[in-house]
Amino acid sequence: GAVVSQHPSRVICKSGTSVKIECRSLDFQATTMFWYRQFPKQSLMLMATSNEGSKATYEQGVEKDKFLINHASLTLSTLTVTSAHPEDSSFYICSARDPTDDGYTFGSGTRLTVV
Amino acid sequence: AQTVTQSQPEMSVQEAETVTLSCTYDTSENNYYLFWYKQPPSRQMILVIRQEAYKQQNATENRFSVNFQKAAKSFSLKISDSQLGDTAMYFCAFMKPQGDDKIIFGKGTRLHILP
Repeated sequence: GAVVSQHPSRVICKSGTSVKIECRSLDFQATTMFWYRQFPKQSLMLMATSNEGSKATYEQGVEKDKFLINHASLTLSTLTVTSAHPEDSSFYICSARDPTDDGYTFGSGTRLTVV
Repeated sequence: AQTVTQSQPEMSVQEAETVTLSCTYDTSENNYYLFWYKQPPSRQMILVIRQEAYKQQNATENRFSVNFQKAAKSFSLKISDSQLGDTAMYFCAFMKPQGDDKIIFGKGTRLHILP
């Protein structure tokens, strides 16, 4: 089946620094990728939709300049949390859509801790 | 805007019993997809079952089946012969194809299978 690889699985960074999270579709070309944030014991909140070769579409209330999304190829999207603060600590999950079957596959998530 | 409502925050059942998780949604669309996703403690999102709205037949996947009532906008999940490994968060989700393609999640139901 379709596989999406997300790295790193865990990252700890200092306040004020930036951290990049990668999301790769391993065996299909993902024209669209999605980035979610999940707080403990809560649902997934969509942050942005990433389309290959174009600017990401951000959901209302999500800061574009803080959460930079790049979708440079059909198999790779990256989320960069810039100038991270402790309140950015969360679980981030990516999802990739396979246009051949409308299937959505999720990465295994990244636990970000900002200290 | 589409919304997904899961009215049961938490449920517990004995192993081997049957359990039904409720989900309702609100949309003005006629063509859409509905999903049930499972999120075990590992936090990996796993697709349990998918239903296309144009199909009248309820989707089934082994011990998992849905009761899709389009007019009532209801999409419940039935787990038969529940197993300890079914313990997880279950999210009901909605997607409108050929639009923004983003998946909207409900708040989830935490299911405990008791030995």
